[in-house]
Amino acid sequence: TQLLEQSPQFLSIQEGENLTVYCNSSSVFSSLQWYRQEPGEGPVLLVTVVTGGEVKKLKRLTFQFGDARKDSSLHITAAQPGDTGLYLCAGVKGTYKYIFGTGTRLKVLA
Amino acid sequence: GAVVSQHPSRVICKSGTSVKIECRSLDFQATTMFWYRQFPKQSLMLMATSNEGSKATYEQGVEKDKFLINHASLTLSTLTVTSAHPEDSSFYICSARVQGLEEKLFFGSGTQLSVL
Repeated sequence: TQLLEQSPQFLSIQEGENLTVYCNSSSVFSSLQWYRQEPGEGPVLLVTVVTGGEVKKLKRLTFQFGDARKDSSLHITAAQPGDTGLYLCAGVKGTYKYIFGTGTRLKVLA
Repeated sequence: GAVVSQHPSRVICKSGTSVKIECRSLDFQATTMFWYRQFPKQSLMLMATSNEGSKATYEQGVEKDKFLINHASLTLSTLTVTSAHPEDSSFYICSARVQGLEEKLFFGSGTQLSVL
């Protein structure tokens, strides 16, 4: 059963635009991670958020963990073609139970 | 950062044959590794959790006799797809869990399996 819903599923935008990806669940997680995956490769960890309400920035990417630790968002400012990829959120429950989100496929056009 | 090596990256085999995929942690010890299956343009589907020195824990709906997992050492886990059929064609990915200040997963680069 998929517990983490991401929206939107697909997003195609022009270079320079801003976007937000959402990751929602009815479950509480001890932490939440965001990954980016390129075709034919494994996912690469971008960030881990642990505390409810936590905000982390990674250059043009801003990640926020919901106050109740049930949801998260990823905001990209001034998107670049290099941001193109599949973005996956993953909630961690207990010791090491990872629940992956449904994924958001982003395409940034030059 | 930690490196996970997965081989082969691509394999084509005939229906009925078995295929072994290796997942190695190159610069750290991984007591826990995970195996996933990914269909085109979809998210990861966890197949099983592989623990060093013990039997793997399979997710509901995953046939353990079909997908044999062995984690004989702290740096190597293998997934063997037995008697492969065309419906087993997929992208298989492994990951290794790193324990530290934060929980982290490092992923292999995946194996594209095509069964003819």
